[in-house]
Amino acid sequence: AQSVTQLDSQVPVFEEAPVELRCNYSSSVSVYLFWYVQYPNQGLQLLLKYLSGSTLVKGINGFEAEFNKSQTSFHLRKPSVHISDTAEYFCAVSEGTSYDKVIFGPGTSLSVIP
Amino acid sequence: GAVVSQHPSRVICKSGTSVKIECRSLDFQATTMFWYRQFPKKSLMLMATSNEGSKATYEQGVEKDKFLINHASLTLSTLTVTSAHPEDSSFYICSLAGPYQETQYFGPGTRLLVL
Repeated sequence: AQSVTQLDSQVPVFEEAPVELRCNYSSSVSVYLFWYVQYPNQGLQLLLKYLSGSTLVKGINGFEAEFNKSQTSFHLRKPSVHISDTAEYFCAVSEGTSYDKVIFGPGTSLSVIP
Repeated sequence: GAVVSQHPSRVICKSGTSVKIECRSLDFQATTMFWYRQFPKKSLMLMATSNEGSKATYEQGVEKDKFLINHASLTLSTLTVTSAHPEDSSFYICSLAGPYQETQYFGPGTRLLVL
């Protein structure tokens, strides 16, 4: 069975500082990996996804993530955060096609401090 | 990406009433639909998966008689919370999958408050 771990439940960071949100997964098969962002009282927005190919994936809003198969990780990074990046971030995994269910991690609350 | 709508966006109802939530695909044929539930400050938990024209498959611990799912067409799925109680208050989100779509697309969610 698949599972997703996000070790940091809350990450405070100063504006314009870099940030890394950690994500580890477990699966017995190859996976698709995703990062979603959820702003307060809103739905999910896809930040980026890894399906295959290059292990460094660039997404929207200046975010990027690197797939590391040996470490079963998919950490999210941004070199310089803005106040508007304050939100909940979810790492997610599915087993290979869009028809497979998506399993979400517990989420990381990113707070950007002015 | 694909456009997914949910209606209503928020609903308040009395305990004991039933509430229907619609999830629509506006620009592709959604052969598979998923319903998720999110409690405040928590992650999304998959409730059930439905394929068009078939009965839904529920995750362990989800009462199928309480959360009725109908995937009647390739563009519409409904989730009915029957005899809602305050503990059913939550954020319900659908996602859709279909041919030629690399990933699922999520709806904006429906916030249900049962008084």
